[in-house]
Amino acid sequence: QKEVEQDPGPLSVPEGAIVSLNCTYSNSAFQYFMWYRQYSRKGPELLMYTYSSGNKEDGRFTAQVDKSSKYISLFIRDSQPSDSATYLCAMKRNAGNMLTFGGGTRLMVKP
Amino acid sequence: ETGVTQTPRHLVMGMTNKKSLKCEQHLGHNAMYWYKQSAKKPLELMFVYSLEERVENNSVPSRFSPECPNSSHLFLHLHTLQPEDSALYLCASSQGSAGAKDTQYFGPGTRLTVL
Repeated sequence: QKEVEQDPGPLSVPEGAIVSLNCTYSNSAFQYFMWYRQYSRKGPELLMYTYSSGNKEDGRFTAQVDKSSKYISLFIRDSQPSDSATYLCAMKRNAGNMLTFGGGTRLMVKP
Repeated sequence: ETGVTQTPRHLVMGMTNKKSLKCEQHLGHNAMYWYKQSAKKPLELMFVYSLEERVENNSVPSRFSPECPNSSHLFLHLHTLQPEDSALYLCASSQGSAGAKDTQYFGPGTRLTVL
């Protein structure tokens, strides 16, 4: 079993839709959770960073962590064609700088 | 140059060649990383250099050899690679602080093809 599971997609939605991207994980030691966005032929860039359970909002993006279910989500409101990319979840334990990544979900937002 | 840069952006090599990938960070960070990104697989951490101490993933074959001459530069030396080593190799850097919020910033990657 992989430590972090993420549906690879592709997920295709119309412009303006609400997008829900999810990851599940098996290791209860993970405390810090991140979402990265990766455009084609580019490196990943950090979108959201959350600690422990709860929600965090930044513009059209909301990150949600449910540690009891070992489940994290990224919601994108009013999705735009420019949101088309691969979204990677990542997480780490309390200390150190070792990130564990999901495999990424490819999102396509159609105009 | 800003952020994290990587050269070359594309590399094609034969199995008997020796080549090196270069990464440079312009962020004043103290930790640098090499990741491998293969199709339909999660990003795989290969090596970490933090305050000049090296940490490696024990599953990385010895045909990959990292070098970190200073906190701004990181190399990945390649020799006698296999076709399954074809992938996107990403470099990242971070402050390397002991605190939890140690964000990693990625370069654009080197697309490697081994023939």
